[in-house]
Amino acid sequence: GAGVSQSPSNKVTEKGKDVELRCDPISGHTALYWYRQSLGQGLEFLIYFQGNSAPDKSGLPSDRFSAERTGGSVSTLTIQRTQQEDSAVYLCASSLWGQGVTDTQYFGPGTRLTVL
Amino acid sequence: QKEVEQNSGPLSVPEGAIASLNCTYSDRGSQSFFWYRQYSGKSPELIMSIYSNGDKEDGRFTAQLNKASQYVSLLIRDSQPSDSATYLCAVKRNTGKLIFGQGTTLQVKP
Repeated sequence: GAGVSQSPSNKVTEKGKDVELRCDPISGHTALYWYRQSLGQGLEFLIYFQGNSAPDKSGLPSDRFSAERTGGSVSTLTIQRTQQEDSAVYLCASSLWGQGVTDTQYFGPGTRLTVL
Repeated sequence: QKEVEQNSGPLSVPEGAIASLNCTYSDRGSQSFFWYRQYSGKSPELIMSIYSNGDKEDGRFTAQLNKASQYVSLLIRDSQPSDSATYLCAVKRNTGKLIFGQGTTLQVKP
């Protein structure tokens, strides 16, 4: 595809339910990132996949959050037992290599998660 | 001290003026710097990237980098109302992940 795609665009769930958010990176990009942006806040790094390397999970806020990337392409971010503080826009980005001075990240449209 | 700092604004400039957006960072080893524009309700869109000290120009946009001062800026010439948005400064760590500032809100008044 032409850009990073994410689904769903909006998700409303009840507190305590599990949710899955999907990201489809730009074709050929080996690196994939998840960020979170709470209302009026900056972007917070969550997790980073680069090729076949072990993911950098250092930004995941709790063990309720997990992510996987199947076949080096599509990624799913899963939030278990959602809490109201999980409400935010979840942004996915991809880049060609992940490392290197000129490597650039391009963002998808995001998934707006609302936990009631 | 935050790793990447920006003045949250709002920065208000009249149409046609030069808007100057500033960003400082704390990791002296950082090599890559990016400016993203984010309209309300939308995702960040890459405006400029800069890797070497000095200026880099692209149309009405000029990015400036001073690694000794750990300072990066974005100038927007001939500002237009359509430039009104939040501008995010991002610094890339050697590991690949981006660290973002809080963003500066720019308002261009007709």
